[in-house]
This record gives sequence, C-alpha cells and structure tokens, in this order.
Amino acid sequence: NAGVTQTPKFRILKIGQSMTLQCTQDMNHNYMYWYRQDPGMGLKLIYYSVGAGITDKGEVPNGYNVSRSTTEDFPLRLELAAPSQTSVYFCASSYVAGGTEAFFGQGTRLTVV
Amino acid sequence: GENVEQHPSTLSVQEGDSAVIKCTYSDSASNYFPWYKQELGKGPQLIIDIRSNVGEKKDQRIAVTLNKTAKHFSLHITETQPEDSAVYFCAASTVKAAGNKLTFGGGTRVLVKP
Repeated sequence: NAGVTQTPKFRILKIGQSMTLQCTQDMNHNYMYWYRQDPGMGLKLIYYSVGAGITDKGEVPNGYNVSRSTTEDFPLRLELAAPSQTSVYFCASSYVAGGTEAFFGQGTRLTVV
Repeated sequence: GENVEQHPSTLSVQEGDSAVIKCTYSDSASNYFPWYKQELGKGPQLIIDIRSNVGEKKDQRIAVTLNKTAKHFSLHITETQPEDSAVYFCAASTVKAAGNKLTFGGGTRVLVKP
C-alpha cells in the first residue's frame, strides 16, 4: 500500500511555462484534494474532488486546473506559471467527507523563475 | 468561511518538558478538529483528532482539549522527546460538509532541545 504518491518531488519552471503535478492514491478513497503550502504558512485548499468526474474549487483556485477521470488519479495543471505559484504542493485523499483522516503525499516543491 | 488562528508560530522546549499549542476557529458549525505533524521534507500526518461532542482526548503523551463555547482547542505534548521536533498544524472542518474541506492554522514549529 503506497498511499498517496506525488510526482515530481521538485521542479523549476520558467514564467509562462505549463506543467502537470501528478497525484495517485491506492486506497480507493473517494475524496482527493490539492493544497499549497507557502513558507511559514498553513495549507490552503486549491481544488478538491468528491469522486471520479466531479471537481470543485477550494480557497485559492486561480491559475490552476484539475481533472478526475479515475478514482486513483487527481492531476493538477498549472497553465502560464507565475512566481506567485512558487510553493510546496500537497495532494491528499480521504475515504469519506469531513471528519475523517486525510492522507497526504510527500509534496512537490515548485519554483517559478 | 472558516478561519483558524494558531499560536505560537515557534516553540522551543527542553526535552522532558511539556509543549502546548493553541488554536481558535471562527465558524461555530465546525465540529471536527484534527492535528497534523509535518516532519522535514514530508507531508502532514494525522496525530490526533477530536470531535465537538468530546471535551478532551488523550493518546499516550499527546492530548487535545476543546472548548466549543470559546471556540478554541489546544494540543498538549507531555515529556517531549527530540523526535517531537516538527511543524504542527491544527485544522477545523464540518463533518457534514462534502469534501472534508479542512481549514488549517498557520503551523507551529516545535524544537525540542536535548
């Protein structure tokens, strides 16, 4: 059981480039989330999904897109990268809605220069 | 929406002493309060959680207390050890809300000095 796996672990992007952060989980969880963590700050929710084919915006969705074609995968797409998107990105999953443990991946450290 | 404030932002304690981290929340509908520990280079990991129908919960050296009237909850770590050094996050969410949209506090960096 690998849990939540994120790739890549590190990435440097130039301003205006695009990339996809990959996230997959093998726990058959319905709910998946993307958070960003800025230095010295807590985690802010970017997007979440309650099941395959269903996604919704979180607190800071601008500049990002997501899709959920399968239960296992929840990729996060950055279009036209900006320095403000320099952050550590965490994917998480949980079995049911609020009130249960969320399992986090190890994070992707993204720098936009 | 929910707002969670966490204090202090850094905490240095001597090994064997206790550490206390406090959080306040704004949404009276929140009823699930987890605490996560994040070690260097890793994702956050749940260490303890409490629901609004309980005032206190303990798990070995870790305890969490909740005061719903005052809308604050605290993490207590007793007999601290070097491996307790990490960043700790409190969070709040509403159990009924779809998607377990946790709102996190800003984190507390705990350093346990041997």
